Amino acid sequence: GAVVSQHPSWVICKSGTSVKIECRSLDFQATTMFWYRQFPKQSLMLMATSNEGSKATYEQGVEKDKFLINHASLTLSTLTVTSAHPEDSSFYICSATWTGASYEQYFGPGTRLTVT
Amino acid sequence: DAKTTQPPSMDCAEGRAANLPCNHSTISGNEYVYWYRQIHSQGPQYIIHGLKNNETNEMASLIITEDRKSSTLILPHATLRDTAVYYCIVRRRSNDYKLSFGAGTTVTVRA
Repeated sequence: GAVVSQHPSWVICKSGTSVKIECRSLDFQATTMFWYRQFPKQSLMLMATSNEGSKATYEQGVEKDKFLINHASLTLSTLTVTSAHPEDSSFYICSATWTGASYEQYFGPGTRLTVT
Repeated sequence: DAKTTQPPSMDCAEGRAANLPCNHSTISGNEYVYWYRQIHSQGPQYIIHGLKNNETNEMASLIITEDRKSSTLILPHATLRDTAVYYCIVRRRSNDYKLSFGAGTTVTVRA
């Protein structure tokens, strides 16, 4: 149980374009979803927290107009990287949990974004 | 949330127990110890968590010292598939569910 999927698993886009990454909870209703970014050989950095039906809460230093997060349903959150640049190339990982869970998060497999 | 200290890397032999230490000397009474691991190019995977008692599940055992200032994650019979970065995280149980990942320990299981 508690499976989270991400789509796509990898994407290449041109500089200046936007790309959308989907995160789905497959067998539970996710009241809270998180988005992380991980650069090579570094640890995960939390970008934002989203609660279903509410605006996302962004961590300090993360541009909310560049990384648009939508958590429109209890099973789907999307991250849109707008006007992507090569420095946005990274591994983006989502996680999900639900109210009443034992406070662990369930992670998706990640999306590798390369901006050329 | 309290800071944790882990060795940057360790090797262990396949089939043997792997003991992963974590120091959290500033842990407070309402903070839990969580362990996650991340296999290369995958999302992290929850392993186990505990407050003060030792815990065991199908993946691992968590031993927390009596003063709670350190803990050890034990993988009883390490396999090559256990090669990963292991993260020890200390956090309060709160409604924000946030996790703060440090550098972790890179564990390499060798045949």
